[in-house]
Amino acid sequence: AQSVTQLGSHVSVSEGALVLLRCNYSSSVPPYLFWYVQYPNQGLQLLLKYTSAATLVKGINGFEAEFKKSETSFHLTKPSAHMSDAAEYFCAVYLTGGGNKLTFGTGTQLKVEL
Amino acid sequence: GAGVSQTPSNKVTEKGKYVELRCDPISGHTALYWYRQSLGQGPEFLIYFQGTGAADDSGLPNDRFFAVRPEGSVSTLKIQRTERGDSAVYLCASSLERTAEAFFGQGTRLTVV
Repeated sequence: AQSVTQLGSHVSVSEGALVLLRCNYSSSVPPYLFWYVQYPNQGLQLLLKYTSAATLVKGINGFEAEFKKSETSFHLTKPSAHMSDAAEYFCAVYLTGGGNKLTFGTGTQLKVEL
Repeated sequence: GAGVSQTPSNKVTEKGKYVELRCDPISGHTALYWYRQSLGQGPEFLIYFQGTGAADDSGLPNDRFFAVRPEGSVSTLKIQRTERGDSAVYLCASSLERTAEAFFGQGTRLTVV
């Protein structure tokens, strides 16, 4: 069975500072990995995905994530936070041939302060 | 439509009542998913449709929950004898066959009082 762990339910950064949101996964087979963002009262929007090609994945809004198999991690980063980045972020794992469903972490609420 | 549409956006119902939640997926998407998101949690898988059939309903919590997709497009999630613990945001997503990239609707917030 696969699972996702997001370390830190709340992260606070200053505007312009580095954003780092952590995600570790467990999977018995090579996974696909995703980051989604959820703004208040809205659905989930895909930020980026890893599907076994390049290990460094670039997404929308300046975010990127690096797949590290040895660390079973897929941390999300952005060099410079903007106020509009304040939202909840979810990491998710999808197993190819494993039931066609995403398994989500519990989410990290990102707060951006002036 | 341009995106996944869910109606209603909010639903308040009394304990014990029956509710239906509707999902209209992106045109051409054969795969459809229902998830439930409780406060402070990530979305949890409920059921997956491929075309008209439920390919995986292992996430449905009990037999009060049922979902249909009779024509392979619109889906309805049905909850009988609602309980206060059913209160959550119910999310629908759709994707093209054989791809994992799912597009989510804005969800239906269900409150059972």
